[in-house]
Amino acid sequence: IAGITQAPTSQILAAGRRMTLRCTQDMRHNAMYWYRQDLGLGLRLIHYSNTAGTTGKGEVPDGYSVSRANTDDFPLTLASAVPSQTSVYFCASSPLGRVSYNEQFFGPGTRLTVL
Amino acid sequence: AQSVTQPDIHITVSEGASLELRCNYSYGATPYLFWYVQSPGQGLQLLLKYFSGDTLVQGIKGFEAEFKRSQSSFNLRKPSVHWSDAAEYFCAVGVNTDKLIFGTGTRLQVFP
Repeated sequence: IAGITQAPTSQILAAGRRMTLRCTQDMRHNAMYWYRQDLGLGLRLIHYSNTAGTTGKGEVPDGYSVSRANTDDFPLTLASAVPSQTSVYFCASSPLGRVSYNEQFFGPGTRLTVL
Repeated sequence: AQSVTQPDIHITVSEGASLELRCNYSYGATPYLFWYVQSPGQGLQLLLKYFSGDTLVQGIKGFEAEFKRSQSSFNLRKPSVHWSDAAEYFCAVGVNTDKLIFGTGTRLQVFP
């Protein structure tokens, strides 16, 4: 079934540890995005990639890094996790780079708790 | 700066009643507007979108929304709510800087 997969589903992490959240899509979409969802704040864009080999910063990029080595994968790395990074993380993709024109397709999310 | 406001954090309706969820945006040009729904424990799913043309747009699951430029609004409506519509609803605006700005969401609860 075509779509976006995220791993892990949930994770509890000690502060200071490094963590990579995985995201894979099989729709051959050019653009991919990482959001975090926090109660009362909605979804906020962390990083995005309009095409393989390029990335850009979103609204809340500090403490996170991404890479886009190929079309399908867009991992999000927390180099040294802090409790304020406790959140639900969603990966999304869209067919073209201009998000304004295209529907974004979302993965099921990763619930991350940093203690 | 661009922004999206959903003034209702939580709405409760009875099954079969009509529904209207409010969304107001702040953006200098004609925006691209979206409504997404998030069921518990799930990712977001697109309900409908407005780019141009007819200001009343139809979406999936019997939802519709109306773009009113004079009020900077894009309210979501459904004439008769079903219990399965209980979820969180997000309004979003697409701006020309490759960003999608989301509102803070409205949680819908449906009573039988």
